[in-house]
Amino acid sequence: AQSVTQLGSHVSVSEGALVLLRCNYSSSVPPYLFWYVQYPNQGLQLLLKYTSAATLVKGINGFEAEFKKSETSFHLTKPSAHMSDAAEYFCAVSDSTDKLIFGTGTRLQVFP
Amino acid sequence: NAGVTQTPKFRILKIGQSMTLQCTQDMNHNYMYWYRQDPGMGLKLIYYSVGAGITDKGEVPNGYNVSRSTTEDFPLRLELAAPSQTSVYFCASSPRTSGVPLGDTQYFGPGTRLTVL
Repeated sequence: AQSVTQLGSHVSVSEGALVLLRCNYSSSVPPYLFWYVQYPNQGLQLLLKYTSAATLVKGINGFEAEFKKSETSFHLTKPSAHMSDAAEYFCAVSDSTDKLIFGTGTRLQVFP
Repeated sequence: NAGVTQTPKFRILKIGQSMTLQCTQDMNHNYMYWYRQDPGMGLKLIYYSVGAGITDKGEVPNGYNVSRSTTEDFPLRLELAAPSQTSVYFCASSPRTSGVPLGDTQYFGPGTRLTVL
């Protein structure tokens, strides 16, 4: 069965610093992988997704993620954090019936 | 397009009461989903539907019921509210049209925050 592990429930960075949010997956078949962002009191919004094309996926707001099969990872990065990036980020894997299995989320804080 | 809309935004229920959470999408999507979000737990799938008249259980269906009479609407029913159902509920839809999983994006509504006392 597919599963997702997000390391670190909270990550804090300074404005302008690198953002790295970690996600490891478990899947018996080539997975579809997603990163969603949730701003306070809002629904989830897709940041980016991997669907077996390029392993480096670029998303909205300057975020990108790299699919590494050998490490079963799909970490999310952004070179320079903005205050507006403060939110909760969820990694998810799509199972064989296309249902999403979510990680437990990582809350990103950005300090000035 | 309004996308996925949910009503109400907030609700407080007493134990044993019932209510229906409404979800409507205007994107003509076949697939619709209900999730609950609990702190530190991510999102768990309650029920989903692959089209009008077809629904199926997700990971945590106990205490809930759904129906799908139209493509647009996918209401979630709580019959006998319990404190364990205190959560934030999200409805989502996706444009998936085939039986083959293709990694379709799910589009989420703004959520309903439910408290059962």
